[in-house]
Amino acid sequence: DAGVIQSPRHEVTEMGQEVTLRCKLISGHNSLFWYRQTMMRGLELLIYFNNNVPIDDSGMPEDRFSAKMPNASFSTLKIQPSEPRDSAVYFCASSLGTGGNEQFFGPGTRLTVL
Amino acid sequence: AQRVTQPEKLLSVFKGAPVELKCNYSYSGSPELFWYVQYSRQRLQLLLRHISRESIKGFTADLNKGETSFHLKKPFAQEEDSAMYYCALSGRNTPLVFGKGTRLSVIA
Repeated sequence: DAGVIQSPRHEVTEMGQEVTLRCKLISGHNSLFWYRQTMMRGLELLIYFNNNVPIDDSGMPEDRFSAKMPNASFSTLKIQPSEPRDSAVYFCASSLGTGGNEQFFGPGTRLTVL
Repeated sequence: AQRVTQPEKLLSVFKGAPVELKCNYSYSGSPELFWYVQYSRQRLQLLLRHISRESIKGFTADLNKGETSFHLKKPFAQEEDSAMYYCALSGRNTPLVFGKGTRLSVIA
């Protein structure tokens, strides 16, 4: 298994553009987490899914952010419209269940919004 | 509410010196505590968890419920230990809550 896969690895876009980040879970995992990492705030949980259902999206900063899980192995995080303050590294992670189970992280997408 | 505090953003030590990365938590129930590590150009990965009580790469961490701490320790730092370290907490059926991380720099 290649582990959690994220694409793209780097994204540079202009303010106002739509950005879509993609994540493929590890086969057999049923929980999916999206995080944002910045120098100021560290790792912030944006949203997580369990069995394709969004469980908690209280970390999503604004309505400009949305996440979907169209099937058991794939998720997208969309920012529309993007703003310079959205620049960060976005990670997704998957696990078998929530709670104390180990989360396996993807390599991250470094987003720069000009 | 669950909260994890890592008071040091950056910790620099000399090679061979002892290392202690501090982590304090706030949680009303019985937490599970973890340390995750992110080496340069690598993905975040689990280093150790308190329930396994094991030593990984020479690192240990003991859960002190009285002081609500889970400090990460290593007696002799090595250059390859330089990385970003995150302490994390999980409650029953709740996802991980991460601290802001501590960057460890081991100087040769």
